[in-house]
Amino acid sequence: KAGVTQTPRYLIKTRGQQVTLSCSPISGHRSVSWYQQTPGQGLQFLFEYFSETQRNKGNFPGRFSGRQFSNSRSEMNVSTLELGDSALYLCASSWDRGRYEQYFGPGTRLTVT
Amino acid sequence: DAKTTQPTSMDCAEGRAANLPCNHSTISGNEYVYWYRQIHSQGPQYIIHGLKNNETNEMASLIITEDRKSSTLILPHATLRDTAVYYCIVRVPHNNNDMRFGAGTRLTVKP
Repeated sequence: KAGVTQTPRYLIKTRGQQVTLSCSPISGHRSVSWYQQTPGQGLQFLFEYFSETQRNKGNFPGRFSGRQFSNSRSEMNVSTLELGDSALYLCASSWDRGRYEQYFGPGTRLTVT
Repeated sequence: DAKTTQPTSMDCAEGRAANLPCNHSTISGNEYVYWYRQIHSQGPQYIIHGLKNNETNEMASLIITEDRKSSTLILPHATLRDTAVYYCIVRVPHNNNDMRFGAGTRLTVKP
């Protein structure tokens, strides 16, 4: 079974631009969560999508948004990029919500200059 | 979710068992213990989880004390590829997937 895939793997953007990251979950998985990882803050939860609806959101500004499509694929968008948005963005999928284990993708490394 | 305390770093000799402790003294009765690891430059990988009974799978064993205030992840025969940051997470399996990762333990397996 194919794992979680994320595209692109690496991205360089300039301050003020916006970016869209894509995540394809494991086939059959219906829940997709997004995380941001930085050296200073570690792994932080961004949001979770299930059945095309955002179910839970972490403590991030409204510049961070996402969506999920009917095939469970998800995208996240960051508008008006800031230098502090440079991070590894990780997507995780699970079969359902709750106690099921999450499977993470390799991440998208975003660098904002 | 209960707070966890893990050592910052540990070393282990290749081929020996790696025992990674986690303290979760404020754990409540319905909170599960989850372990994930993150190998450098990769996404975290699920290892194992449990509620109160000891658990074993093909990757590791999870030993939870009777009072559930601490647990130990055991990698029975550590290899160089087990070098990673190991995260212990305690949470109630709400109807959500919000995993709160701490700083974890950096395990270095040495030849």
